[in-house]
Amino acid sequence: DADVTQTPRNRITKTGKRIMLECSQTKGHDRMYWYRQDPGLGLRLIYYSFDVKDINKGEISDGYSVSRQAQAKFSLSLESAIPNQTALYFCATSARLGVSGANVLTFGAGSRLTVL
Amino acid sequence: TQLLEQSPQFLSIQEGENLTVYCNSSSVFSSLQWYRQEPGEGPVLLVTVVTGGEVKKLKRLTFQFGDARKDSSLHITAAQPGDTGLYLCAGPGSRSNTGKLIFGQGTTLQVKP
Repeated sequence: DADVTQTPRNRITKTGKRIMLECSQTKGHDRMYWYRQDPGLGLRLIYYSFDVKDINKGEISDGYSVSRQAQAKFSLSLESAIPNQTALYFCATSARLGVSGANVLTFGAGSRLTVL
Repeated sequence: TQLLEQSPQFLSIQEGENLTVYCNSSSVFSSLQWYRQEPGEGPVLLVTVVTGGEVKKLKRLTFQFGDARKDSSLHITAAQPGDTGLYLCAGPGSRSNTGKLIFGQGTTLQVKP
């Protein structure tokens, strides 16, 4: 089984629908992240969480919400999906920073969302 | 705002050729990372460079961190079709203790047999 599992892998929905993308991890990491990937824009951070009680907005959080149900689970919701939220979404995890401060992310395989 | 600019954005070469991908910023980073992403998969870490001037080698891939820690390069020698993918550089955000990473826009590499 993958260390970071995302469901669903692909989803097509209509404008205005509520969508939830789920992420679970077996790495035992405290930190979890949701990124969005668009062609030519790299990865942009939506939300991140350091533990169950600590949720933080990233650079593009508008239109999204998250829930950290347990250390191993972090879900991303789109309350009312719109076409410009069509993208590839990645969940990632990391351990606490090492001495060098270098943060290593372990990514899931991605959830491709299409909003018509 | 910290930004990482990668060049080129697209690269299509023949098997056996050499190539270099660049990752540049006007900001100093405490470290930089390179990830490779294959179709249908998430990015996977290739290397982390921490010290200015550092050079790391991973088989045919050579990574260098600039002396001023504002840039990095990835050089691939004798590219193979298996090297095809999206290469991303990343560095810690301004508040590095948050663990957030800033990503470049990526370089798509296609190696033709």
